[in-house]
Amino acid sequence: DADVTQTPRNRITKTGKRIMLECSQTKGHDRMYWYRQDPGLGLRLIYYSFDVKDINKGEISDGYSVSRQAQAKFSLSLESAIPNQTALYFCATSDKSGLANTGELFFGEGSRLTVL
Amino acid sequence: ILNVEQSPQSLHVQEGDSTNFTCSFPSSNFYALHWYRWETAKSPEALFVMTLNGDEKKKGRISATLNTKEGYSYLYIKGSQPEDSATYLCASKALFGNEKLTFGTGTRLTIIP
Repeated sequence: DADVTQTPRNRITKTGKRIMLECSQTKGHDRMYWYRQDPGLGLRLIYYSFDVKDINKGEISDGYSVSRQAQAKFSLSLESAIPNQTALYFCATSDKSGLANTGELFFGEGSRLTVL
Repeated sequence: ILNVEQSPQSLHVQEGDSTNFTCSFPSSNFYALHWYRWETAKSPEALFVMTLNGDEKKKGRISATLNTKEGYSYLYIKGSQPEDSATYLCASKALFGNEKLTFGTGTRLTIIP
């Protein structure tokens, strides 16, 4: 089983609908992230969390919200989806970077969202 | 350099040939440089995380170098194999950047059998 699991993997929805993407991890990492991938652009950070109930905005947080109620779970919500939120969404985890580890990201397999 | 830039955007290489590509990043307030390999329909996976100027890292046929003073890193693949076909992403992290990684757009490598 994957260490970082995202559900759903694919979703088609309509403008105005509320959508939740869920991420769970078995790596025991404190840090979790949501990124968005668009063609021709690098991965962009939406939100991140360093601990339960810790929430921090990334570079493109408008139109999104997140929830971190448990160490292993980090969910991303689109309250009212719009077509330009059509993208591939990645959840990732990391351990705190420092002498003992590199701070590398461990990614889920992505959730492809299409908003019509 | 204000953003992370990767070149070329795409590359076709004959099986068995060696290749390399570049990642340019802001050199001021540099903290770390990450390389990831992303195969289609899979998760990006970390190849290297590098922090020290002049650092070189190697994993099998893949190696990377880092120049933090001029803000670039090279990724080398020796004796390319079909399984090396993937998009290679680099990302830099700055000091005081709240742990934010800035990603480049990637180099898409296709190995021609």
